[in-house]
Amino acid sequence: DAKTTQPNSMESNEEEPVHLPCNHSTISGTDYIHWYRQLPSQGPEYVIHGLTSNVNNRMASLAIAEDRKSSTLILHRATLRDAAVYYCILLFFGSSNTGKLIFGQGTTLQVKP
Amino acid sequence: NAGVTQTPKFQVLKTGQSMTLQCAQDMNHEYMSWYRQDPGMGLRLIHYSVGAGITDQGEVPNGYNVSRSTTEDFPLRLLSAAPSQTSVYFCASSYRGGTTDTQYFGPGTRLTVL
Repeated sequence: DAKTTQPNSMESNEEEPVHLPCNHSTISGTDYIHWYRQLPSQGPEYVIHGLTSNVNNRMASLAIAEDRKSSTLILHRATLRDAAVYYCILLFFGSSNTGKLIFGQGTTLQVKP
Repeated sequence: NAGVTQTPKFQVLKTGQSMTLQCAQDMNHEYMSWYRQDPGMGLRLIHYSVGAGITDQGEVPNGYNVSRSTTEDFPLRLLSAAPSQTSVYFCASSYRGGTTDTQYFGPGTRLTVL
């Protein structure tokens, strides 16, 4: 499985944008980039995913580097509710690993009021 | 839609006891899976199922059994509990387990083995 590298922790101020980086230098051409987050004492929840193009949804934006070796999850205006552990995960299209989310340690985001 | 439900929320076992963690989903998802999360760690896959009657092992299957007799339910059985199985257990489901399918997680079962 291709690996991802994320900073252990980040801090942000409320109502400011947050850029969460993820390095995945061994990504292959058909690996999808997924982001999940885990709020305290809850199960993980889906945030966003993409393959090559930048993606937007109501929760966040995903910016993918042109060479796909890194990506950035962007929270446009952080709220206290966004304090969570954010996981960047690669899923290979079409392999036996279909559906298996391989979690690393993620980035713990702290949001200050 | 209740989504993914898990019971119980909390459980304390003694070493050697057996028990079943329940997981159910009402989204007609084919794919279901079980993860465990130890303190300060990411989740690790225990077992998964791509449909009724089909199960397979994940990253850490030892000490756990699963079966999938219906689309809705995917119970996880601990055969003889050990302190090393103290963890938070999460069940998840997705449409077919495809690489673009969103996975939905339950609220978790916090298990302590004494």
